[in-house]
Amino acid sequence: AAGVIQSPRHLIKEKRETATLKCYPIPRHDTVYWYQQGPGQDPQFLISFYEKMQSDKGSIPDRFSAQQFSDYHSELNMSSLELGDSALYFCASSTVGGGRRTGELFFGEGSRLTVL
Amino acid sequence: GEDVEQSLFLSVREGDSSVINCTYTDSSSTYLYWYKQEPGAGLQLLTYIFSNMDMKQDQRLTVLLNKKDKHLSLRIADTQTGDSAIYFCAETLSNFGNEKLTFGTGTRLTIIP
Repeated sequence: AAGVIQSPRHLIKEKRETATLKCYPIPRHDTVYWYQQGPGQDPQFLISFYEKMQSDKGSIPDRFSAQQFSDYHSELNMSSLELGDSALYFCASSTVGGGRRTGELFFGEGSRLTVL
Repeated sequence: GEDVEQSLFLSVREGDSSVINCTYTDSSSTYLYWYKQEPGAGLQLLTYIFSNMDMKQDQRLTVLLNKKDKHLSLRIADTQTGDSAIYFCAETLSNFGNEKLTFGTGTRLTIIP
């Protein structure tokens, strides 16, 4: 079965550069979530989109922005990168099942960003 | 996460049962999850329980929920070396259009041969 696809899997950038991460949700999933997991930390919610509209916002820095496109894929844009942005970035998707949301999130393998 | 707490480490002998505990604070959570994360890998959903249940069993996994004490546990029977990983519990309110998860701090399970 198709899973959540994230790209790139690994990315190395320098301070003050810009990075873009992409997420392709499971087909027919309408909601996308972004999480950030620092070294040795638990995943922290950044932002989510439902039907291409932002549905919730967590601890996402102002230097970051995201959007969901008409094909439901999402991109996380990160500018003015700082050393502390080095982390594993997860995308997850979910959908309504039979008219009721199941509460299940399906995670991608993550994109590992290293800022030098 | 500050609202969901777990012990950081657990060591278990191969073949024994592992019990990983989690305490959450939001009594309105509707779903509670257990995720497994192997080194350098993504988050794998193991199982979840709806808040109106107190137990769920799935093969070697048993989830117990004590809603009064806001305590969740995951029991892994006959623990194997492949079970070595970090286990995160997570909660969500599951509002329509938003299953924002709040994760626990994670418990690193080490299997002793």
